[in-house]
Amino acid sequence: QVQLQESGPGLVKPSQTLSLTCTVSGGSISSGSYYWSWIRQPAGKGLEWIGRIYTSGSTNYNPSLKSRVTISVDTSKNQFSLKLSSVTAADTAVYYCARGFGVFGGGMDVWGQGTTVTVSS
Amino acid sequence: QSALTQPASVSGSPGQSITISCTGTSSDVGGYNYVSWYQQHPGKAPKLMIYDVSNRPSGVSNRFSGSKSGNTASLTISGLQAEDEADYYCSSYTSSSTLYVVFGGGTKLTVL
Repeated sequence: QVQLQESGPGLVKPSQTLSLTCTVSGGSISSGSYYWSWIRQPAGKGLEWIGRIYTSGSTNYNPSLKSRVTISVDTSKNQFSLKLSSVTAADTAVYYCARGFGVFGGGMDVWGQGTTVTVSS
Repeated sequence: QSALTQPASVSGSPGQSITISCTGTSSDVGGYNYVSWYQQHPGKAPKLMIYDVSNRPSGVSNRFSGSKSGNTASLTISGLQAEDEADYYCSSYTSSSTLYVVFGGGTKLTVL
């Protein structure tokens, strides 16, 4: 079965770019009609959808983050990535990657375990 | 402030039924039959429980059911069990400016 694993630095300095990668195992990132998302959760708070990408390269982003976010996919490595620029302490959170199904409906049915990113000097 | 409004907490005794509401607008919950619900235990990743308002993924207990009326969606859990104690989040597509996904603020379910 498909599994997702986030990886990347746990500590990022303010104003720098946060970079995370999600590795897909147990299946091809290109198979099926799936999309690949990033979601984050500050400690003790709720979930925030960051954005998603299809293997075609088509993306959708949360408007509140759109100016700072880039999500990309590397099908040869079975990975997709998140870049969030100009980070501040408000970007400190657990970051999850997830697989979604359905162009408009559906949901996110496979999640990574999450990785904690702290923004601090 | 979350785009979708959920009660901060609900509680129930084992065996009882509870309902968690999720209120949005005509641009999200009311405009699409694309509401989903996630369960999250402490320190764990969320788990999809309901999609497209009332559909259960394979493996999810039929004690969980979803519905929608107007701009409010609901998750009902019947026959409450101790393992149901968790945070629950609703989500929906929204087209208020561009197409994206919004979550509710989450509801803490306590099984008494």
